[in-house]
Amino acid sequence: GDSVTQMEGPVTLSEEAFLTINCTYTATGYPSLFWYVQYPGEGLQLLLKATKADDKGSNKGFEATYRKETTSFHLEKGSVQVSDSAVYFCALRTGGYNKLIFGAGTRLAVHP
Amino acid sequence: SQTIHQWPATLVQPVGSPLSLECTVEGTSNPNLYWYRQAAGRGLQLLFYSVGIGQISSEVPQNLSASRPQDRQFILSSKKLLLSDSGFYLCAWDTVTEAFFGQGTRLTVV
Repeated sequence: GDSVTQMEGPVTLSEEAFLTINCTYTATGYPSLFWYVQYPGEGLQLLLKATKADDKGSNKGFEATYRKETTSFHLEKGSVQVSDSAVYFCALRTGGYNKLIFGAGTRLAVHP
Repeated sequence: SQTIHQWPATLVQPVGSPLSLECTVEGTSNPNLYWYRQAAGRGLQLLFYSVGIGQISSEVPQNLSASRPQDRQFILSSKKLLLSDSGFYLCAWDTVTEAFFGQGTRLTVV
């Protein structure tokens, strides 16, 4: 079945460091891909998305490119801040099954 | 604008007691609705999803059930809670391009 695999956390970085969180997927057809962020004690918020191959989603300095050839959607940010500390979820949505499937989440901790 | 309400925010229940968590959506019609659980230190697990009134798909065998009595109402229930039911429960609805989440209910079974 369809699935999403994320790198295990936690990821601990110093402020202004470069961030990469890996995400790969398995899906039939051509899914839409998403990154969601969960701040402590809250629900999830959409961070960015891409709906077709080679699309790049971006928001708040974060970027991810839909790579069909490697079935990946890695999240990157050039310079992280303490306020970026959160749990990040990669997700896919396939039209056939009409449901949203999430990866396990990756906790990011940024310290000053 | 679309809004999703989920309550209660926190809940402490004894083992063997019943459970009812409610989720309602405003500002949209015939949404896809979801219940997810996030256990401590673990990822987001899809429990149920619904594409319409009375249509419920269960993703994992468990002690919980879901119902959709109205178009914009989604209820998560249990007749007898287990310790393993503890976790953070999230209701969500989605469009083709984005999902919207409630604030979550932290359930502790004692």
